[in-house]
Amino acid sequence: GEDVEQSLFLSVREGDSSVINCTYTDSSSTYLYWYKQEPGAGLQLLTYIFSNMDMKQDQRLTVLLNKKDKHLSLRIADTQTGDSAIYFCAEREHSSASKIIFGSGTRLSIRP
Amino acid sequence: NAGVTQTPKFRILKIGQSMTLQCTQDMNHNYMYWYRQDPGMGLKLIYYSVGAGITDKGEVPNGYNVSRSTTEDFPLRLELAAPSQTSVYFCASTGGGQALNTEAFFGQGTRLTVV
Repeated sequence: GEDVEQSLFLSVREGDSSVINCTYTDSSSTYLYWYKQEPGAGLQLLTYIFSNMDMKQDQRLTVLLNKKDKHLSLRIADTQTGDSAIYFCAEREHSSASKIIFGSGTRLSIRP
Repeated sequence: NAGVTQTPKFRILKIGQSMTLQCTQDMNHNYMYWYRQDPGMGLKLIYYSVGAGITDKGEVPNGYNVSRSTTEDFPLRLELAAPSQTSVYFCASTGGGQALNTEAFFGQGTRLTVV
């Protein structure tokens, strides 16, 4: 079945760039997403990328997709304390386009 | 616009008790989902539905049941609660068809403890 994997933790210095990585198994995924979860809250969509794109940029966020390696990354430029959260990668399967499968989440912590 | 509403926010159950987690959305979304998030872990898909009257199993359906009698509501039923079902449960909804790129909207979660 589908699987999405992420590293569990990332620590960066305030002002540096954060890069969160994700690998997925479903080569026919249509959409790939990045969600943010703040403590005690639900998930909120940060950005998404369609599978025929290589890159998408939205203000401080840059998403890179390497379809050959099934690798997705999220770069946050000029990381701020408010970026501390858990970041989830997710894929929407192609076959029925109904299931959304999430990774385990990467906890991003910011150090001064 | 309320979005996705889950009730209750918190619940403590004894082993063997049953309960229903309620989820309703007012966005006329076809697709609805139930996920569980264990401490320090990601989201695991329990059940999902692509429309009224249609439900399907996700990654971890054992011990749960769902129904989808209306577009708006997607309740999750626990029949015989077990400690392994202690988790935070999230309901989500999203568009389908031409709206595949739309985000999934999440409820605020139900924190369930089984003792």
